[in-house]
Amino acid sequence: DAKTTQPTSMDCAEGRAANLPCNHSTISGNEYVYWYRQIHSQGPQYIIHGLKNNETNEMASLIITEDRKSSTLILPHATLRDTAVYYCIVRVAFEANDYKLSFGAGTTVTVRA
Amino acid sequence: NAGVMQNPRHLVRRRGQEARLRCSPMKGHSHVYWYRQLPEEGLKFMVYLQKENIIDESGMPKERFSAEFPKEGPSILRIQQVVRGDSAAYFCASSPSATETQYFGPGTRLLVL
Repeated sequence: DAKTTQPTSMDCAEGRAANLPCNHSTISGNEYVYWYRQIHSQGPQYIIHGLKNNETNEMASLIITEDRKSSTLILPHATLRDTAVYYCIVRVAFEANDYKLSFGAGTTVTVRA
Repeated sequence: NAGVMQNPRHLVRRRGQEARLRCSPMKGHSHVYWYRQLPEEGLKFMVYLQKENIIDESGMPKERFSAEFPKEGPSILRIQQVVRGDSAAYFCASSPSATETQYFGPGTRLLVL
């Protein structure tokens, strides 16, 4: 039973912002939204996570809707090196028993020159 | 601060041999998780360990697979009598505690001939 749904794939232009949507309509009030990405043949790379408020770090921004049923990961200036599979994962906050990260199919993002 | 280290990065074994995969967590991290990624599939949780303890091995195949995280040294994932179906990428992640972000290593790609 998937907790998140993401588009299968998307293209974006180099230098433009990439907006990756994720639906998590059954999210609980105590669940974080996590984003990882996996560049071909590499290990998953942590990007960002949030609970309620929007978050920003050196890699990306995370926008969570007020009802928390969906979120958007924003890569502000996509480069060719951002081509990867992006995974949106929900995980219970502060719950020591929720450590199994569930990687679905993710979104395959292709950045084109 | 070095990231999660895994070795070897590539491992080739013949059917029936043993495979030993090593994972050194990030400095200060005492929680280790192993995931497996079969070809064209997502990552699946295998086992969660703390120093000298297996906390959850519910994702491990019942036979031939074992894991340890000794007081000193890296975590080891051991696969005895490998079969072709064991060919996969094996990723290790670590975290400071069970509730905090998991950071992944580069993986070990096992090929069974």
